[in-house]
Amino acid sequence: DAKTTQPPSMDCAEGRAANLPCNHSTISGNEYVYWYRQIHSQGPQYIIHGLKNNETNEMASLIITEDRKSSTLILPHATLRDTAVYYCIVRLRSARQLTFGSGTQLTVLP
Amino acid sequence: DGGITQSPKYLFRKEGQNVTLSCEQNLNHDAMYWYRQDPGQGLRLIYYSQIVNDFQKGDIAEGYSVSREKKESFPLTVTSAQKNPTAFYLCASSIVGAANTEAFFGQGTRLTVV
Repeated sequence: DAKTTQPPSMDCAEGRAANLPCNHSTISGNEYVYWYRQIHSQGPQYIIHGLKNNETNEMASLIITEDRKSSTLILPHATLRDTAVYYCIVRLRSARQLTFGSGTQLTVLP
Repeated sequence: DGGITQSPKYLFRKEGQNVTLSCEQNLNHDAMYWYRQDPGQGLRLIYYSQIVNDFQKGDIAEGYSVSREKKESFPLTVTSAQKNPTAFYLCASSIVGAANTEAFFGQGTRLTVV
């Protein structure tokens, strides 16, 4: 699995967009980019995933650069309940493992 | 409701005792995983299984054992050989062989060894 690099922490004002970056410069062509989040003392929750194109769902948008070496998760209108650790993962086609890094602690401030 | 259930939520054991954590899923997923999480850290893979009666070691398998006798169940035993067993344990499941589907996680078991 390709490794990912994320900033350890970020703050965001409530109601503003939260933009969480992830670097995955060694990603291969058949690896998907996944985002999960973990609210304190709970199991991780799936947010979104993508291969090449930008993706959007009811929770967030995922922007993947053309060279696929980095991506950004966008929470368009952050709320206090979005405070969590956000994990960026690249996942092999075989999907044998899910490898988590340290993630980004996002704190949404009132 | 389809989902993945871990029990119990909190577990206390004396040092030197083996303890088994339960994980059950009704999502019809072939793959199941166990992770360990220490305070302020990310998830580390202990064991995973892609099919009944087969499982593979993850990054930190020493001191742990698993079984996969049924598709729905993947119990984890923390043995007395695990040097520092106090941690938050998470179980997950997913479809095998498809990189474009998400994994589902249980709510975790917090094990404290005293």
